[in-house]
Amino acid sequence: EVQLLESGGGLVQPGGSLRLSCAASGFTFSSYAMSWVRQAPGKGLEWVSAISASGGSTYYADSVKGRFTISRDNSKNTLYLQMHSLRAEDTAVYYCAKGEGSGNIVVVPTARIFDYWGQGTLVTVSS
Amino acid sequence: EIVLTQSPGTLSLSPGERATLSCRASQSVSSSYLAWYQQKPGQAPRLLIHGASSRATGIPDRFSGSGSGTDFTLTISRLEPEDFAVYYCQQYGRSPWTFGQGTKVEIK
Repeated sequence: EVQLLESGGGLVQPGGSLRLSCAASGFTFSSYAMSWVRQAPGKGLEWVSAISASGGSTYYADSVKGRFTISRDNSKNTLYLQMHSLRAEDTAVYYCAKGEGSGNIVVVPTARIFDYWGQGTLVTVSS
Repeated sequence: EIVLTQSPGTLSLSPGERATLSCRASQSVSSSYLAWYQQKPGQAPRLLIHGASSRATGIPDRFSGSGSGTDFTLTISRLEPEDFAVYYCQQYGRSPWTFGQGTKVEIK
């Protein structure tokens, strides 16, 4: 059974930093691209960042580019999102999501479909 | 960036009725790289449809998707009590991979 378990959320002041983690199990983690998707309270979904299966390629939404860094440790089956210079508008539930298809996320369209999601971790940016 | 506009914002229907949800893209979505997700309160989204019309594993056949180019539709043929939720479309043809704002299907 595929499981994704996020952690690391919490209350942080504007301008602060936080690192989210997502522990994966039930599938060959190193074969699949992974993404972070967020949802502000009462709002819709926003794709934030993606990383290739190997970790060699990363992709970001303009809203977080230069402030957030996605990474993965395939030996630990764990995905990360390092967040700096946090703003009030970054307040959201952050989900990690698995790409449906294996392979290069740029070449394989199904790697950009999110077939499994974690339960989410809440990040609140407020003074 | 491809903007996805979903309509209506809210759909009020009774169990057993047919639901038709629309997703319109600001630019053509290449190769029908369009997915639909269902989200219930307090839960993570669940993949329903990808490639505009292919049901994901385990999704009942009352859910169907159609469309191409800029206009896509999710149809629920006969609403079951568990289908009342928010539905999002997502395009994955061009980065950034964007979502629509959602359509809430509520019990009338």
